[in-house]
Amino acid sequence: SSELTQDPAVSVALGQTVRITCQGDNLRSYYATWYQQKPGQAPVLVIYSKNSRPSGIPDRFSASSSGNTASLTITGAQAEDEADYYCHSRDISGYRWVFGGGTKLTVL
Amino acid sequence: EVQLVQSGAEVKKPGESLQISCKASGYSFTTYWIGWVRQMPGKGLEWMGIIYPGDSDTTYSPSFQGQVTMSADKSISTAYLQWSSLKASDTATYYCARLDCSGSSCNYYYYGMDVWGQGTTVTVSS
Repeated sequence: SSELTQDPAVSVALGQTVRITCQGDNLRSYYATWYQQKPGQAPVLVIYSKNSRPSGIPDRFSASSSGNTASLTITGAQAEDEADYYCHSRDISGYRWVFGGGTKLTVL
Repeated sequence: EVQLVQSGAEVKKPGESLQISCKASGYSFTTYWIGWVRQMPGKGLEWMGIIYPGDSDTTYSPSFQGQVTMSADKSISTAYLQWSSLKASDTATYYCARLDCSGSSCNYYYYGMDVWGQGTTVTVSS
């Protein structure tokens, strides 16, 4: 079982803002990284460290954290953002990592 | 261009052994950790473990410790994931990914898994 908990599914209207959350006690100590995965494709890193985006990731993607909850926010969701999103962080040992269960984002 | 190219799809029978590969190019293979991730059909991502090709230091998820073996061949910039006796439950897509981090167990900084292989689909069926 995952130490990081995500809502299985979230939907957002085109152009609106959506927040995808990830909960876990380890998030009080470690940042979450976020990955986007589209069907049939490998995951893509979208957020790392506190709130940094790799080159090529649009600035509509941002992250925040409070207590045991990390959040990925997409401001002005586009059709191409429809995908599964996974949070990822160190486990409570600090020496291994764990993924959240994933959130399927639907853009309406 | 930095890339990881994985070996092709495999179809195996229960009890058989298997080794899949992940060939790195475009960067210094020995100075970045490589991670392995499992994705069972229709399911989420699972972190299996990481290996540092510079000295073959490994860390396994407790869920995969003893079930698989990670290794690396510096001379050909290739990481491997190996099974000695496959089970039907090993049917999945396996991804390798480069970790952008520094330090033992990435303790200095960790910037995520920034480059991914295309995945290797393993089917285990009698």
